[in-house]
Amino acid sequence: DVKVTQSSRYLVKRTGEKVFLECVQDMDHENMFWYRQDPGLGLRLIYFSYDVKMKEKGDIPEGYSVSREKKERFSLILESASTNQTSMYLCASSLTAGGQETQYFGPGTRLLVL
Amino acid sequence: AQKVTQAQTEISVVEKEDVTLDCVYETRDTTYYLFWYKQPPSGELVFLIRRNSFDEQNEISGRYSWNFQKSTSSFNFTITASQVVDSAVYFCALSDVNHSNSGYALNFGKGTSLLVTP
Repeated sequence: DVKVTQSSRYLVKRTGEKVFLECVQDMDHENMFWYRQDPGLGLRLIYFSYDVKMKEKGDIPEGYSVSREKKERFSLILESASTNQTSMYLCASSLTAGGQETQYFGPGTRLLVL
Repeated sequence: AQKVTQAQTEISVVEKEDVTLDCVYETRDTTYYLFWYKQPPSGELVFLIRRNSFDEQNEISGRYSWNFQKSTSSFNFTITASQVVDSAVYFCALSDVNHSNSGYALNFGKGTSLLVTP
């Protein structure tokens, strides 16, 4: 079974803090994704990565950056957290690039920025 | 542009009732994939099914069934004899092979919240 883990289920941070969200997958998947989920808006893509050290912006990259130094790990960074970044963050991975690939999701991190 | 519409925001049923969750999609591509995911209160999205655009056969898995109709651009999901454990948010999603940006990220509908009461 594919296993995608995220470093924290719940996180509380203060405005202006630098925040790191970590995601690890154990199935040697090439693609990894970060989404945020907000009520009424569904899931929106922040960034994705198709290989180590490679990254591409998604639909809402502003205020975020990412890092992929190892194939199994994909980090989302909030450079200076703001209250409008309070959200549920979901990491996903898929075996290869391709619309036919199923994405497998982690348990999510609920981030509250005060 | 792609779009996935789940018109039902919330549905409430009594246990053992059948319930259908609607999903309508838009795409200009001839090759695409449709997915359903379940998100229980714990938060994790659980993969349920993937269907490609060339396979219009309906699929049944236990109490779950899916009806894919290209003529109406719909991919509806039916739960037969619903149970309390089916209570969750259900997402329909679309991905197309020719979508060269975003790493073939999924386009999600806004989800349908299903509540099954005893």
